[in-house]
Amino acid sequence: DAGVIQSPRHEVTEMGQEVTLRCKPISGHDYLFWYRQTMMRGLELLIYFNNNVPIDDSGMPEDRFSAKMPNASFSTLKIQPSEPRDSAVYFCASSPRRDTGELFFGEGSRLTVL
Amino acid sequence: GDSVTQMEGPVTLSEEAFLTINCTYTATGYPSLFWYVQYPGEGLQLLLKATKADDKGSNKGFEATYRKETTSFHLEKGSVQVSDSAVYFCALFTSGTYKYIFGTGTRLKVLA
Repeated sequence: DAGVIQSPRHEVTEMGQEVTLRCKPISGHDYLFWYRQTMMRGLELLIYFNNNVPIDDSGMPEDRFSAKMPNASFSTLKIQPSEPRDSAVYFCASSPRRDTGELFFGEGSRLTVL
Repeated sequence: GDSVTQMEGPVTLSEEAFLTINCTYTATGYPSLFWYVQYPGEGLQLLLKATKADDKGSNKGFEATYRKETTSFHLEKGSVQVSDSAVYFCALFTSGTYKYIFGTGTRLKVLA
């Protein structure tokens, strides 16, 4: 079975540029999560969706960040404009059901903003 | 609020040594508890879980027991291998609020 697929794996961009990260969850999973991982702050939940609907976006740092899930098999996380402090590894994860709690993570997208 | 506290790393052990990584939690409800492992350059993957008090989760030689009386979920392995070198995350999950909380992670380095 294919796992959670993220792209790009690595992105290097300059401050002020728009960045779009993509995620394909595991088929049949109803929940999708975006996390950010840094050395200083650890693993932070940015937003999660249930059946393509955003449920909790309280972790989104500011208006420069936006996330969409237009259908059950695709989600994007966009940063516009990007800043050096956005440099991190961004993980997408999906989960099949509310009660199991198990998350399936992608391999992450490492973002470097110069 | 709910929280997870893990021991600070890094933990450095020789191959075949005994491993314990401490994890304690605070929660208002009845959470499920998890250990995830992250190998270099990869995402987190579930290592083991326990859904209620006194449950023991186990996988790949790792074990953890859900202790409600001490609010702990310590990870143990009797004999570590170099391939166990990774970062280990303790986490709690409450299905009622769909809240998932991760610890800060503990880096384990096993030397040959």
